[in-house]
Amino acid sequence: DTGVSQDPRHKITKRGQNVTFRCDPISEHNRLYWYRQTLGQGPEFLTYFQNEAQLEKSRLLSDRFSAERPKGSFSTLEIQRTEQGDSAMYLCASSSTRRHITEAFFGQGTRLTVV
Amino acid sequence: DQQVKQNSPSLSVQEGRISILNCDYTNSMFDYFLWYKKYPAEGPTFLISISSIKDKNEDGRFTVFLNKSAKHLSLHIVPSQPGDSAVYFCAASVSGTYKYIFGTGTRLKVLA
Repeated sequence: DTGVSQDPRHKITKRGQNVTFRCDPISEHNRLYWYRQTLGQGPEFLTYFQNEAQLEKSRLLSDRFSAERPKGSFSTLEIQRTEQGDSAMYLCASSSTRRHITEAFFGQGTRLTVV
Repeated sequence: DQQVKQNSPSLSVQEGRISILNCDYTNSMFDYFLWYKKYPAEGPTFLISISSIKDKNEDGRFTVFLNKSAKHLSLHIVPSQPGDSAVYFCAASVSGTYKYIFGTGTRLKVLA
């Protein structure tokens, strides 16, 4: 098991462009989360999936953001019409309901820079 | 409204001594707490957690203490090592919600 994998690691895009990030969770984990981290802040919750169902979305997730987890495996996070304020580290994490301890394991993140 | 607060943005400790990182929370519904360590350009790495039914949890050099009445938890690292230098985040959650609320982090520097 290689842990949570995110692709790409870095993305520079022009304002107004669309971007898509991918997350591959730990294989036996049925929960998947997206967080966003900006400089000097802790990670902020964006959304959460259990299997393929998106169960919660933060108010931070505007209508320009959409996340999917088809078939309950990998997940994608798409940002449409990017704005400079979207520049951040986007973190994916996964956890399992099958364990008593419910800590989430994070990937290395995708750093987005909107110019 | 910052529900999880880490009031010390940075801390320096000599190698071999104890590092104590503090975290306060305001939401009395939180019942599960975690500490993560983060190196630059990497995602957070899980360190240790504690449920609200306990007041202490230990794992090797790392011990987390929970004081529910004060809504305060702390992470003790003994002995501190230069490789412990990183940003430490405290996080809290409410059972059944599955999302974590993170503090703003404390940057620990362990001096050799």
